[in-house]
Amino acid sequence: EVQVLESGGGLVQPGGSLRLSCAASGFSFGLYDMRWVRQAPGKGLEWVSSISASGDKTYYTDSVRGRFTISRDNAKNTVSLQLNSLRAEDTAVYYCAKPHFPSGNYFDYWGPGTLVTVSS
Amino acid sequence: EIVMTQSPATLSVSPGERATLSCRASQSVSLNLAWYQQKPGRAPRLLIYTASTRVTGIPVRFSGSGSGTEFTLTIASLQSEDFAIYYCQQYDEWPPTFGQGTKVEIK
Repeated sequence: EVQVLESGGGLVQPGGSLRLSCAASGFSFGLYDMRWVRQAPGKGLEWVSSISASGDKTYYTDSVRGRFTISRDNAKNTVSLQLNSLRAEDTAVYYCAKPHFPSGNYFDYWGPGTLVTVSS
Repeated sequence: EIVMTQSPATLSVSPGERATLSCRASQSVSLNLAWYQQKPGRAPRLLIYTASTRVTGIPVRFSGSGSGTEFTLTIASLQSEDFAIYYCQQYDEWPPTFGQGTKVEIK
């Protein structure tokens, strides 16, 4: 059974940092790109970042580029998202998502999400 | 980036009735369109991809149609568990983008 589980969210002050982690199981993790998608309170879904299966290619939405860093450890079946210089507008539930196909861009498994709140 | 626009924002439907949700893309996305269902406090669930292919296990009352810029999600006979927010998403061009959602509520 495919499982995806995020952790690491919490309350942080503006300008602060957090590291989100996503643990995956039940599929050939090392063959799949992985994605982070976020949802601000009461709002829609926004793709945030992607990483290729090998980890050599990373992508970011414009609003987080230079502040967020995605990485993965295929030996541990984990993907991480380092959030730096956080802003109030980064407040959201962050979901780790598995593509339906290894390099696809629609998502068949999502974790339950981890809430990041940026507030003083 | 491609802008996805969903209508209506809210759809009030009685159980057993048909619901028709629309999604429009700002430029052609061919058939590269997915639909998700999201219930309060839960992660999105993939229902349909390539505009009309149902995910294994999704009831046949859910159907998708359309191509290019105009897409429709139809729920043939609404069940109580279908009241939720539905999002469309294009994956034809980078970055993948989502519509703002249609809330299907009990009339």
